[in-house]
Amino acid sequence: EAGVAQSPRYKIIEKRQSVAFWCNPISGHATLYWYQQILGQGPKLLIQFQNNGVVDDSQLPKDRFSAERLKGVDSTLKIQPAKLEDSAVYLCASSLGMGNQPQHFGDGTRLSIL
Amino acid sequence: TQLLEQSPQFLSIQEGENLTVYCNSSSVFSSLQWYRQEPGEGPVLLVTVVTGGEVKKLKRLTFQFGDARKDSSLHITAAQPGDTGLYLCAVFGGATNKLIFGTGTLLAVQP
Repeated sequence: EAGVAQSPRYKIIEKRQSVAFWCNPISGHATLYWYQQILGQGPKLLIQFQNNGVVDDSQLPKDRFSAERLKGVDSTLKIQPAKLEDSAVYLCASSLGMGNQPQHFGDGTRLSIL
Repeated sequence: TQLLEQSPQFLSIQEGENLTVYCNSSSVFSSLQWYRQEPGEGPVLLVTVVTGGEVKKLKRLTFQFGDARKDSSLHITAAQPGDTGLYLCAVFGGATNKLIFGTGTLLAVQP
């Protein structure tokens, strides 16, 4: 079974620029998650999708972050404009469904803001 | 205030030593998970503990859930360099039952 695929693996941009990350979940997984992991901390949930609907985006900074999962499969996470404090690893995860289902994580995109 | 506090924050030991890391909270949980995250990779689920006082073993790793289901420990026997990584505890919580991670313990095992 192929795992969760993310791209790019690394991205370096200057503050105030925009950036986008892409995630392809495990086939058949209805639930998709984006996490932000700042260096030395545990991941923090930014947004959760169930198919193409948003379940939880309470910790997403909506003035600069946006995410979509239009066809209920792949997802993109965008930051515009980026701030220095957005430097982090952005992890995508997927699970079969909601609730206490095991989540499978991708290897993340490491974002550095200069 | 963090829901899940892990200790120690960092740990550097020699190969063959034993160690224990802790995950503590003032809240009660129906279950608790442990993950290991190796450098440059995403977290990988190691175990889920459900019952108060439960002990689960995974090769040289022993996981225990506190009797009151507020805390957990992970003990590694005869650590190896391959055990190096960030160890995270996590629980499901909040209005949407999202996965909430602890602060993490970064373990380095020197050969």
